[in-house]
Amino acid sequence: NAGVMQNPRHLVRRRGQEARLRCSPMKGHSHVYWYRQLPEEGLKFMVYLQKENIIDESGMPKERFSAEFPKEGPSILRIQQVVRGDSAAYFCASSLGTGQTEAFFGQGTRLTVV
Amino acid sequence: QKEVEQDPGPLSVPEGAIVSLNCTYSNSAFQYFMWYRQYSRKGPELLMYTYSSGNKEDGRFTAQVDKSSKYISLFIRDSQPSDSATYLCATSSSGSARQLTFGSGTQLTVLP
Repeated sequence: NAGVMQNPRHLVRRRGQEARLRCSPMKGHSHVYWYRQLPEEGLKFMVYLQKENIIDESGMPKERFSAEFPKEGPSILRIQQVVRGDSAAYFCASSLGTGQTEAFFGQGTRLTVV
Repeated sequence: QKEVEQDPGPLSVPEGAIVSLNCTYSNSAFQYFMWYRQYSRKGPELLMYTYSSGNKEDGRFTAQVDKSSKYISLFIRDSQPSDSATYLCATSSSGSARQLTFGSGTQLTVLP
């Protein structure tokens, strides 16, 4: 049973480009969470999605960031017009249900903006 | 003030030592408390979770929550070099994995 799969593991983008981060949840999991980890800081919640729905995006920056979890395929975190401050590790987690505290994290995508 | 405060360390101990990792939190609404272990360049791995106050033991690991003082601890007995990692405490006000609030992590090194 594969765990949460994220790709790419490392992503380098120039300022102004777009970054697309992908997350495939664990088999059978329909709840996906995106977290960002800045250097020397803890993980910060960004967004919570279920299939085809954004449930809670209170942690998402108001501009340039968007997320989706389509009926088919992985969840996508999209960052438009990246800036140096977007450089961070982005982690995706999934859980079986909404009442499940146990979330399983992927290996993360390390985004570097040059 | 951060909602969850955690001493970043680094903490270095000899193999076999008892390790104590701690966090404090400020939000009384937090009911669920977790400890994650994160190896370098890897994702966080859930180690322990507890609900409300009390102790929970799993092998060499014991998680302790004191809601009256808003203090959570993780004890590692007979520490091993393979325990070397960053340990993150996390809290939640609901029973859901949504909006976990993490501490900044404590970097632990267990020396052989």
